[in-house]
Amino acid sequence: DAGVTQSPTHLIKTRGQQVTLRCSPKSGHDTVSWYQQALGQGPQFIFQYYEEEERQRGNFPDRFSGHQFPNYSSELNVNALLLGDSALYLCASSLVAGPEHFGDGTRLSIL
Amino acid sequence: GQQVMQIPQYQHVQEGEDFTTYCNSSTTLSNIQWYKQRPGGHPVFLIQLVKSGEVKKQKRLTFQFGEAKKNSSLHITATQTTDVGTYFCAGDGGADGLTFGKGTHLIIQP
Repeated sequence: DAGVTQSPTHLIKTRGQQVTLRCSPKSGHDTVSWYQQALGQGPQFIFQYYEEEERQRGNFPDRFSGHQFPNYSSELNVNALLLGDSALYLCASSLVAGPEHFGDGTRLSIL
Repeated sequence: GQQVMQIPQYQHVQEGEDFTTYCNSSTTLSNIQWYKQRPGGHPVFLIQLVKSGEVKKQKRLTFQFGEAKKNSSLHITATQTTDVGTYFCAGDGGADGLTFGKGTHLIIQP
């Protein structure tokens, strides 16, 4: 039974570029959440998708957008990248109101 | 918005000593969750507390949820080297997703 898988594992971009990160949830899970984790900090909630719609959103600008597909997989898109967007991006899946199961994350570096 | 404070930020203990981390929310929570993250790894779910005053145990780990559902603690008895990592509490206020604390980094000296 595969857990949460994320791709790519590492990514290097330059300021102003756009990036797309991908996530496949744990089998049987229907809810996907995205988090940003800066070095030495706790994960910060970006948004959550359920039934292909954004259900909740944290305090992140509109440059951060997402999508959930009918097979429950999800994408996180970030436009106009800033140096401060460098972080570990974690995807987590769950059943509604259940605990989060995290993937290994995508390490994004902005030059 | 909701804020979750966690102390201490770092805790050094000798192997075999006890360890406690504390978590306080600025708002009343519907539930609180605890996660452990090993260096280079991802957060792993430990437990969820829902009821006011709830206490749950997992072997050497004891989790408590305060009566007002705004604070929580994790206590580890007789730490082992396998307990090394960062322990996060995460509060669910219902509207803004999970709010994680900054975590307590547990360092164990053999």
